Amino acid sequence: DAGVIQSPRHEVTEMGQEVTLRCKPISGHDYLFWYRQTMMRGLELLIYFNNNVPIDDSGMPEDRFSAKMPNASFSTLKIQPSEPRDSAVYFCASRETGETQYFGPGTRLLVL
Amino acid sequence: QKEVEQNSGPLSVPEGAIASLNCTYSDRGSQSFFWYRQYSGKSPELIMFIYSNGDKEDGRFTAQLNKASQYVSLLIRDSQPSDAATYLCAVKLNSGNTPLVFGKGTRLSVIA
Repeated sequence: DAGVIQSPRHEVTEMGQEVTLRCKPISGHDYLFWYRQTMMRGLELLIYFNNNVPIDDSGMPEDRFSAKMPNASFSTLKIQPSEPRDSAVYFCASRETGETQYFGPGTRLLVL
Repeated sequence: QKEVEQNSGPLSVPEGAIASLNCTYSDRGSQSFFWYRQYSGKSPELIMFIYSNGDKEDGRFTAQLNKASQYVSLLIRDSQPSDAATYLCAVKLNSGNTPLVFGKGTRLSVIA
């Protein structure tokens, strides 16, 4: 298996622009997680899905953030409009129920 | 508020020595405990997990859990330069489907 796939790996954008991050979970995994990592706050859970349904989005910082999972093999995290404080590494992770959680390589976002 | 606390470090140990990494957690209902290693610029990768009080050994790594004290640790024997990384402690509330809560990590430096 190729593991969790994320794209793009790096994104540089200007404040106010829309940013879309993409994730393909490991095949067969029924849970998908979006995390954000910064030096100050560490690894924060933003939202997670089970069988494509959002279960808990309480970690989404603002209405500017939204996430979707239209099918079992694809999820997006969108920031609109982006702000400099959104600069971070965004990780997607997936797992089967009760099993080990695997992380993707991350998307490094810089908002200027 | 579920919290996982780690000393941010850096923890510096000589090559060949034992590195001891510590983690405390706030929620007494926590059932599963995980140690992830994260190299600079990379994503977290699972080293080992522990569910029961006591020690669990895997090669040079030993996880120790004390639920009464709400304390979990990771020992790395015969530390190598390749062990230099940030070690993240993660806790899951129950054995089911809740997401992992991560500490901010401890940065380990191995001195040759």
